[in-house]
Amino acid sequence: GQNIDQPTEMTATEGAIVQINCTYQTSGFNGLFWYQQHAGEAPTFLSYNVLDGLEEKGRFSSFLSRSKGYSYLLLKELQMKDSASYLCAVRGGPNRGSTLGRLYFGRGTQLTVWP
Amino acid sequence: EAQVTQNPRYLITVTGKKLTVTCSQNMNHEYMSWYRQDPGLGLRQIYYSMNVEVTDKGDVPEGYKVSRKEKRNFPLILESPSPNQTSLYFCASSELPGGTQYFGPGTRLLVL
Repeated sequence: GQNIDQPTEMTATEGAIVQINCTYQTSGFNGLFWYQQHAGEAPTFLSYNVLDGLEEKGRFSSFLSRSKGYSYLLLKELQMKDSASYLCAVRGGPNRGSTLGRLYFGRGTQLTVWP
Repeated sequence: EAQVTQNPRYLITVTGKKLTVTCSQNMNHEYMSWYRQDPGLGLRQIYYSMNVEVTDKGDVPEGYKVSRKEKRNFPLILESPSPNQTSLYFCASSELPGGTQYFGPGTRLLVL
């Protein structure tokens, strides 16, 4: 089976740094995505990690540790427009119980940025 | 412009009245999916399609049907909608299986 955990809610202030964690237990693994979803809108792609380490993209960075089943999304210099839900999604790997190429989403972390 | 479109965007219907939500993508993607999103439950995959005439069940397929007769279109069919299918529905496409998902704008469905 697939189990993906992330905190339900987080709050932070403008200009701060916030780290959103995601832990997963999946029967197969072939990469991990982070998506951003503003209220009432569709999710949009933020990052993809398939190898261990940190991927930096502007104010956003994403980290992956495959041995620990752990990832985090780091948001720096927070802005009001970063208030959104952040979705962690694991891409299934070629192992029994996990269909290759299936995506399994966590329940999302609602981030509120205060002025 | 590369995009995924869904219609209708909003729909109110009654129990048992068949409905279809259309989805179309212009990126020539082979892989398409339908998800539903409910408060506290996140995104759950209903059905997915690897290519024309190739579809498979996701995590919550009960009460839904799909078809993939053309590469660009992937309609979602509710033969006999029930109130527990009230939800926000997203269609998505990707170039590779489980690849970066390009989501449509969503369809908000209310079944009375």
